[in-house]
Amino acid sequence: DARVTQTPRHKVTEMGQEVTMRCQPILGHNTVFWYRQTMMQGLELLAYFRNRAPLDDSGMPKDRFSAEMPDATLATLKIQPSEPRDSAVYFCASGLMTSGDFYEQYFGPGTRLTVT
Amino acid sequence: GQNIDQPTEMTATEGAIVQINCTYQTSGFNGLFWYQQHAGEAPTFLSYNVLDGLEEKGRFSSFLSRSKGYSYLLLKELQMKDSASYLCADPSNTGKLIFGQGTTLQVKP
Repeated sequence: DARVTQTPRHKVTEMGQEVTMRCQPILGHNTVFWYRQTMMQGLELLAYFRNRAPLDDSGMPKDRFSAEMPDATLATLKIQPSEPRDSAVYFCASGLMTSGDFYEQYFGPGTRLTVT
Repeated sequence: GQNIDQPTEMTATEGAIVQINCTYQTSGFNGLFWYQQHAGEAPTFLSYNVLDGLEEKGRFSSFLSRSKGYSYLLLKELQMKDSASYLCADPSNTGKLIFGQGTTLQVKP
């Protein structure tokens, strides 16, 4: 039963600390997305990768957020330094996109981040 | 640009039928997705429409009219477990999904 996994599931940290969230996409998927969800803003795309290359990170505050894919089985999202306004649920999703075809994205369970 | 509008909340009775509407404005149309999200859980895929018309999947159906920029999700024989948020999403030309704010559906006995 292939699924996207994310760690940690919950993270509570103090303002100013570094936070690293990890995602393992479904094996064989070539596209990985990072989303943030809050009550006020809904589900927002932060960044995404295709074949490990970053395609779009325009939704991400670049002064403190960074996203990478060190290899095909791992995507990371880092916040340094973290701020209370970063408190949200962060979802990773993966999918297989071929030329001209759109596809469903499979979401991980999310990381619930609380910054105090 | 891309704008997606959905009602914020809806309430319906168990066993009834409910229609959740979504209107969109997009610079390049690539179909429309519907996702379901239960409280505290991740979104899960429900449907993807790229052609006009109604697509049925069991109790759930999704309709699309490209000329009107309009879609709806139809839920029949509502069950309590259908209480969730329903999000429509527009895939851009590059495949990234732009989500609406979601419609929170409450099913009452």
